[in-house]
Amino acid sequence: AQSVSQHNHHVILSEAASLELGCNYSYGGTVNLFWYVQYPGQHLQLLLKYFSGDPLVKGIKGFEAEFIKSKFSFNLRKPSVQWSDTAEYFCAVNSPGGGADGLTFGKGTHLIIQP
Amino acid sequence: DADVTQTPRNRITKTGKRIMLECSQTKGHDRMYWYRQDPGLGLRLIYYSFDVKDINKGEISDGYSVSRQAQAKFSLSLESAIPNQTALYFCATSDSTRGAVDEQFFGPGTRLTVL
Repeated sequence: AQSVSQHNHHVILSEAASLELGCNYSYGGTVNLFWYVQYPGQHLQLLLKYFSGDPLVKGIKGFEAEFIKSKFSFNLRKPSVQWSDTAEYFCAVNSPGGGADGLTFGKGTHLIIQP
Repeated sequence: DADVTQTPRNRITKTGKRIMLECSQTKGHDRMYWYRQDPGLGLRLIYYSFDVKDINKGEISDGYSVSRQAQAKFSLSLESAIPNQTALYFCATSDSTRGAVDEQFFGPGTRLTVL
């Protein structure tokens, strides 16, 4: 079974700081990679996804992520965070044809942006 | 965005009671999923369904059952609720006709408390 590791469970930053959230996965085959965000009291929304092609993926709200196959990583970045980015962020992986469908999620990173 | 709806949104019940959580979608997607979210554990897959005749167990199916009554409806049952099933439950959908496994769209969640 594949697993997803998010290294930072809680991150506190000031507005305008740069953000990088780490994500590593265990599956060695073809993967689809996702970052979801959950704002307080809301459901999960997709930030960005990687299926193939350019390993640098741009998503909504100024977020981007880079897929590094050799490192099994898909780190999320944003050059300048805003107070409204306060949320929980989940990295998720799916392996097409890998048996079970559905996403395998990391445990999440709770991001707090201080004004 | 009310494409994926869940009822009830909140439920408090007692140990041993039977509970049903319902999910409906208007996205026309063929695949539906149930996840539970626990603090510090992220989301874990309970069951998933590729269509009305295809039900599959996920990572943590013990103590749960599901029914896919129609393409648009997927319900989750707890036959005899226990306190460690207290969690936030999410329904999700995806569209397999778009080729590779695509993103999943999540409902607003049902907060279940088992006393």
